[in-house]
Amino acid sequence: DTAVSQTPKYLVTQMGNDKSIKCEQNLGHDTMYWYKQDSKKFLKIMFSYNNKELIINETVPNRFSPKSPDKAHLNLHINSLELGDSAVYFCASEESGELFFGEGSRLTVL
Amino acid sequence: DAKTTQPPSMDCAEGRAANLPCNHSTISGNEYVYWYRQIHSQGPQYIIHGLKNNETNEMASLIITEDRKSSTLILPHATLRDTAVYYCIVRVVYGQNFVFGPGTRLSVLP
Repeated sequence: DTAVSQTPKYLVTQMGNDKSIKCEQNLGHDTMYWYKQDSKKFLKIMFSYNNKELIINETVPNRFSPKSPDKAHLNLHINSLELGDSAVYFCASEESGELFFGEGSRLTVL
Repeated sequence: DAKTTQPPSMDCAEGRAANLPCNHSTISGNEYVYWYRQIHSQGPQYIIHGLKNNETNEMASLIITEDRKSSTLILPHATLRDTAVYYCIVRVVYGQNFVFGPGTRLSVLP
């Protein structure tokens, strides 16, 4: 079983649309993250949740809204998509300082 | 910003040891040194971490200088599958972000 799974793996959409990426971890971890990796390959943290509560919210536009229905899930909803949102989005969970990443969701905005 | 400095790229011959350096001259006493790697476009993978003692696991060894201002990740017998971007990160165990810098792109050559 995949420890941290993201869906969809690929997403192609038009500017202005709203889309969601789902993340689930079956490791029982309390802390989950969303990272964004752009075309230059820099990996930047977006959000951190601990036991369904938002801990870190880096400088991310309001169009991005994380939602954690329970501690095993951290979904990312994006409104009014822009060209610059094209990137690979990684979900991760953490245990004792060790991050476990999902396989990534490649978002392409046309 | 990342608190570490790494060379942008390195080559290593297959079967030889790969030694990846990292400078972290501003490291605090309670900060650990973590190493992750990202193979192609997969999610980053945890390798090893340490505080001040040298550490070894099935993947690699971590050598931390006595003053803790630098460290070296050693892959004892590099294979083609070790070609990846390697990230050195300093962080306290709990509470801080994992801040990923540009890392070192290691190319293992046949």
